[in-house]
Amino acid sequence: EAGVTQFPSHSVIEKGQTVTLRCDPISGHDNLYWYRRVMGKEIKFLLHFVKESKQDESGMPNNRFLAERTGGTYSTLKVQPAELEDSGVYFCASSPQGPGRFFGQGTRLTVV
Amino acid sequence: GENVEQHPSTLSVQEGDSAVIKCTYSDSASNYFPWYKQELGKGPQLIIDIRSNVGEKKDQRIAVTLNKTAKHFSLHITETQPEDSAVYFCAASIRSGNTGKLIFGQGTTLQVKP
Repeated sequence: EAGVTQFPSHSVIEKGQTVTLRCDPISGHDNLYWYRRVMGKEIKFLLHFVKESKQDESGMPNNRFLAERTGGTYSTLKVQPAELEDSGVYFCASSPQGPGRFFGQGTRLTVV
Repeated sequence: GENVEQHPSTLSVQEGDSAVIKCTYSDSASNYFPWYKQELGKGPQLIIDIRSNVGEKKDQRIAVTLNKTAKHFSLHITETQPEDSAVYFCAASIRSGNTGKLIFGQGTTLQVKP
């Protein structure tokens, strides 16, 4: 069974550009979570989808971040325009129910 | 707000020794406490979890204890091996139906010296 897959694994962009991160959860998992770890600090919650609906987006930093999960399968997280403080590792997790149990390998985003 | 404090931030032990990582949570409504291990270049991997109706849980060399009154929970690794070297994260969650965002601690970098 394939695990949670994230693309790309690394991304380096200039300040002001747009970046889109993708997460493919484990097939059949209704719950999909996005988290972010900045500068070696704790992993912070961003938002939670149940199927295609946003269950909780209380962790989204600001309106430069847009997450979608069309059709309840894969999800994208777009940052537009990117700022220096957006640099970090973005993780996606999925689970059949409850908190995200299975994490992807993460996307390391560097904004220069 | 919700907060999880994790200590120590780094821990170095000799192979065969025990390692203990401690966490404190702030939200008394938290009822689910997982521990994750993150190896270099990989995502966090769930290694053990405990629910608030249980005081202790063990899985081979790994054990977790929970003190609800003090809002403390700890990870114990016995007979450590070099492959236990990684970053360990504790987390707390209010698990109810389909809710349950994880509040993570800051992480502990464990180094096991051969």
